[in-house]
Amino acid sequence: QQKVQQSPESLIVPEGAMTSLNCTFSDSASQYFAWYRQHSGKAPKALMSIFSNGEKEEGRFTIHLNKASLHFSLHIRDSQPSDSALYLCAAKNMGYKLTFGTGTSLLVDP
Amino acid sequence: DMKVTQMPRYLIKRMGENVLLECGQDMSHETMYWYRQDPGLGLQLIYISYDVDSNSEGDIPKGYRVSRKKREHFSLILDSAKTNQTSVYFCASSFEGAEQYFGPGTRLTVL
Repeated sequence: QQKVQQSPESLIVPEGAMTSLNCTFSDSASQYFAWYRQHSGKAPKALMSIFSNGEKEEGRFTIHLNKASLHFSLHIRDSQPSDSALYLCAAKNMGYKLTFGTGTSLLVDP
Repeated sequence: DMKVTQMPRYLIKRMGENVLLECGQDMSHETMYWYRQDPGLGLQLIYISYDVDSNSEGDIPKGYRVSRKKREHFSLILDSAKTNQTSVYFCASSFEGAEQYFGPGTRLTVL
């Protein structure tokens, strides 16, 4: 059964800083990797996803994937107070079941 | 506008009572999910539905059952609710297992 672990559990960064969030997965057959963001009291919402090794950038957000090391990460450039939220990483193989990590709670201090 | 709705948003029940949580989506997604979210445990998959009357257990199905009679509607039923089923329940939908769209959640308290 897929296991997904996130680090750190929580993080405080100053406004304008680079934020790096990490995720490891256990199933080497995983094909799809995603980050979701959940503001307090709200629903999780998909942020970014990646299928193949390398990196993908969308605005201030970059996702890195290294399948050989069973690791992917999310980097937020110029972090803003509105980025404060719970970040959930998730991975799956070719099926429909997505396994989520337990989340990293990010606080961006203005 | 792509939307997943959940009813009710808040619910308080007594132990042993039956609970019905309802979810709807307007995107014609064939796949729908029920999760529960507890502090420190992330999102745990209860059931997944691949289409009408095609449901499969997730990681924590014990104490729950589901019903899907129309593609746009997915129900979660707790028969004789227990206090350890107090949680926030999220419904989600996706097209062919891709990006999941989540509803606003139902906060259930079982006393």
